[in-house]
Amino acid sequence: KQEVTQIPAALSVPEGENLVLNCSFTDSAIYNLQWFRQDPGKGLTSLLLIQSSQREQTSGRLNASLDKSSGRSTLYIAASQPGDSATYLCAVREMDSSYKLIFGSGTRLLVRP
Amino acid sequence: GAGVSQTPSNKVTEKGKYVELRCDPISGHTALYWYRQSLGQGPEFLIYFQGTGAADDSGLPNDRFFAVRPEGSVSTLKIQRTERGDSAVYLCASSLTAGSRYNEQFFGPGTRLTVL
Repeated sequence: KQEVTQIPAALSVPEGENLVLNCSFTDSAIYNLQWFRQDPGKGLTSLLLIQSSQREQTSGRLNASLDKSSGRSTLYIAASQPGDSATYLCAVREMDSSYKLIFGSGTRLLVRP
Repeated sequence: GAGVSQTPSNKVTEKGKYVELRCDPISGHTALYWYRQSLGQGPEFLIYFQGTGAADDSGLPNDRFFAVRPEGSVSTLKIQRTERGDSAVYLCASSLTAGSRYNEQFFGPGTRLTVL
C-alpha cells in the first residue's frame, strides 16, 4: 500500500529564508507527483505537477524535484514571504489507479515578518 | 461558475442525524472525486465518478456513506446515522476526464462537517 510522508510536519522561518520541504513515498510505480498549497478554510491550490519521466519543475520562486527511484521529492521555496504561510501537501498518482491522489499529511509553514 | 463549489461550507449536526453535502463541478468536467480530510491529515480518497456512475467507491469507510451523481454533473455525498468520528472536511474535486495521468484535479473549498 502506497504511503506518503512529509517532513517536517511544521516549520517556522523568518522572512527571506530559502527553505526545503520534503516528501517521500513507498512505491515508486507512480505516474506523477503534485504539490499543493492549502490555506485555512480553503481548498487545495495546485502548485507544481511533475510527471514520472521528469526530474524537476519550476514556477516562479518554487522548484520541485523528483527522484522516483528513491521515492523522494522536495519543494524548494526561494526568498520566502509571509504570504507563503500555508500548509503544503504532496500527492502521488499511482499507475494502477491513476485517477486517485494519495496525499501526505502536509507541512504547516509559517513565514515570520 | 469558474471553479468547483461546495455547499454548505459548514455543517453542524447531532450524532445519529442524516446529512447531505453537495458538490458542483467545473462545467464540462466528466470526472468527479470526493475526499475526506481529518484534522492534521492529508485528504483521503472516498469515491470517484466518471459520468453518472461510481467507478470506484473503495474509499467509502462503511455503508453509512453513499454518493450519487444522477445527471453526470452535481454530486451529493450522503451520510446516514452520523457519528462523531465523521467530523472532517469533505473535499470535492473535478477533472476533464479521469483516464489520463495529465488530467489535473481541481478542488473545491470543502464542507466542514462537525458531529456533536
